[in-house]
Amino acid sequence: QKEVEQNSGPLSVPEGAIASLNCTYSDRGSQSFFWYRQYSGKSPELIMFIYSNGDKEDGRFTAQLNKASQYVSLLIRDSQPSDSATYLCAPSPNFGNEKLTFGTGTRLTIIP
Amino acid sequence: EAQVTQNPRYLITVTGKKLTVTCSQNMNHEYMSWYRQDPGLGLRQIYYSMNVEVTDKGDVPEGYKVSRKEKRNFPLILESPSPNQTSLYFCASRASGSYEQYFGPGTRLTVT
Repeated sequence: QKEVEQNSGPLSVPEGAIASLNCTYSDRGSQSFFWYRQYSGKSPELIMFIYSNGDKEDGRFTAQLNKASQYVSLLIRDSQPSDSATYLCAPSPNFGNEKLTFGTGTRLTIIP
Repeated sequence: EAQVTQNPRYLITVTGKKLTVTCSQNMNHEYMSWYRQDPGLGLRQIYYSMNVEVTDKGDVPEGYKVSRKEKRNFPLILESPSPNQTSLYFCASRASGSYEQYFGPGTRLTVT
């Protein structure tokens, strides 16, 4: 069982600031991670996939993975009201299965 | 258009009345999954399938059945629904060579 923990929030961030979302995990065997964004009443959509230690940047989003400390984070620069959503993290399944355990998600609100 | 479809989108039923929620994808994906989402508990995997006739349990399989007789379809069966199965259900699929899951629009089920 892969335990994944996220602060449920809500996390309120002023527009234009950096939003920082964190996720810790218990399985040291986890090699790569997903960040999904879910708008209220909608289905999740993948926004980042990270598989190596360090940072991965994609536009205003940066994912950070620290395997030694067992955490993965998502930074959103220049936050926009459209970033208001719930963010879910999950370790990718082990090879040979499709078992996926999501964190409970962090609800982010960007304040104009 | 590449998509995952679910039917019905909304369903209100009574305890004990068997129901099936259908899921279909038109992307020729090998992997398919069912999730339920509840407030405070996040997105939890019910069952997954890695190909036709290959299915396995996720984290919360009790009270559910699935089948995968065709690659495109992955129905979720509730033989005897109970009120604790009231939830928002998502189907998802991905190709074996990709890490990105595509989610359906969700089915909101209420069992009274």
